[in-house]
Amino acid sequence: DIVMTQTPLSSPVTLGQPASISCRSSQSLVHSDGNTYLSWLQQRPGQPPRLLIYKISNRFSGVPDRFSGSGAGTDFTLKISRVEAEDVGVYYCMQGTQFPLTFGGGTKVEIK
Amino acid sequence: QVQLVQSGTEVKKPGASVRVSCKTSGYTFTRYGITWVRQAPGQGLEWMGWISAYNGDTKYGQRLQGRVTMTTDTSTSTAYMELRSLKSDDTAVYYCARVGTSQEFEYWGQGTLVNVSS
Repeated sequence: DIVMTQTPLSSPVTLGQPASISCRSSQSLVHSDGNTYLSWLQQRPGQPPRLLIYKISNRFSGVPDRFSGSGAGTDFTLKISRVEAEDVGVYYCMQGTQFPLTFGGGTKVEIK
Repeated sequence: QVQLVQSGTEVKKPGASVRVSCKTSGYTFTRYGITWVRQAPGQGLEWMGWISAYNGDTKYGQRLQGRVTMTTDTSTSTAYMELRSLKSDDTAVYYCARVGTSQEFEYWGQGTLVNVSS
């Protein structure tokens, strides 16, 4: 199974400041079709997860442009350019390249 | 708009089975797969498996292999997840989600709490 490792576990951020979350996979996420199936999800307290980013850097419908994804191979990053109060929650990376699909352990974003 | 609406809270005894439903609307059901993800209290997300709504093909996580069955009913655009031989550590919120063409989990149900307790 591909292991997804996120850092940090927790990220206290000042409102209006940037935040960055790292995700590393135990093996390359490049699929045989040439695509890299790495996505990011946000889970606000008491809510189901919500898709933010897919295929490394594609924002899903309705996702604000302060969220961006980057990376390649085994190393990926989610950035929030200016954190807002509604961004509080847990963020997960997920690989869809190989079954079983696997999630990172989550990074909690909270306001300082 | 795309919606996935799940069945309500279940309380079960160890050894019992549970079936959770996920009724979809707002899109052509057979064009997308459905995945199931669970989340134990205070824990992260665990992928359980996937089913093609087109032809019923399934992929299950190894941890649950043999105890879980995913099915669909195309006449009602509903997906089902059955988990058998329940144990206390199956207590979790169970989510269904629509799977996009890039293996992304696009739209999610509201979650169903399954509480396994003697």
